[in-house]
Amino acid sequence: DTEVTQTPKHLVMGMTNKKSLKCEQHMGHRAMYWYKQKAKKPPELMFVYSYEKLSINESVPSRFSPECPNSSLLNLHLHALQPEDSALYLCASSQERREQVYEQYFGPGTRLTVT
Amino acid sequence: AQSVAQPEDQVNVAEGNPLTVKCTYSVSGNPYLFWYVQYPNRGLQFLLKYITGDNLVKGSYGFEAEFNKSQTSFHLKKPSALVSDSALYFCAVRVASGGYQKVTFGTGTKLQVIP
Repeated sequence: DTEVTQTPKHLVMGMTNKKSLKCEQHMGHRAMYWYKQKAKKPPELMFVYSYEKLSINESVPSRFSPECPNSSLLNLHLHALQPEDSALYLCASSQERREQVYEQYFGPGTRLTVT
Repeated sequence: AQSVAQPEDQVNVAEGNPLTVKCTYSVSGNPYLFWYVQYPNRGLQFLLKYITGDNLVKGSYGFEAEFNKSQTSFHLKKPSALVSDSALYFCAVRVASGGYQKVTFGTGTKLQVIP
């Protein structure tokens, strides 16, 4: 199984709502990532989890809150978002071993619209 | 700072002709380079990576990339383009961040294969 799944596919939320994005992989990968992607732009890294611990936070606003409940699951909790947060949110995973270089496997993304 | 540059926003090629999508890199130390492809409204898919060894790297779907240290380039190539190759292509480089590794993407090149 080389698939990363993300739910929901689409999400529309108001600026006062609280919602969560979910990501799951069963490849035994120990690194998981959240990216934000605007149309026709490259993905921008938001967070990296390594062995279920947050290792990189790219100065993301606190209205985005990541969570890694176990090695297969990654959540992104959303609260009080702004319209400019509307984007495609991508989850990815990869193997994680010192001194090794691994590619990332991406999910299909959640298309988020903030109204 | 470690980065990659994709000098062409769009590349047009006729079906059956060879294609090249350009990427140049700027890194200190050993470069670890990747190519990913993104189809509309989908996540990114890994095509190939260069870590060390042969300068010609073969990847998925008939793609290959040539690593050129003197020109600091890592161009993506395919001998015969298919209409189904039309997509957005991203070059990427692995960078170190506070003891952890992350990937920085180029700006992307839209490939249009004309029937």
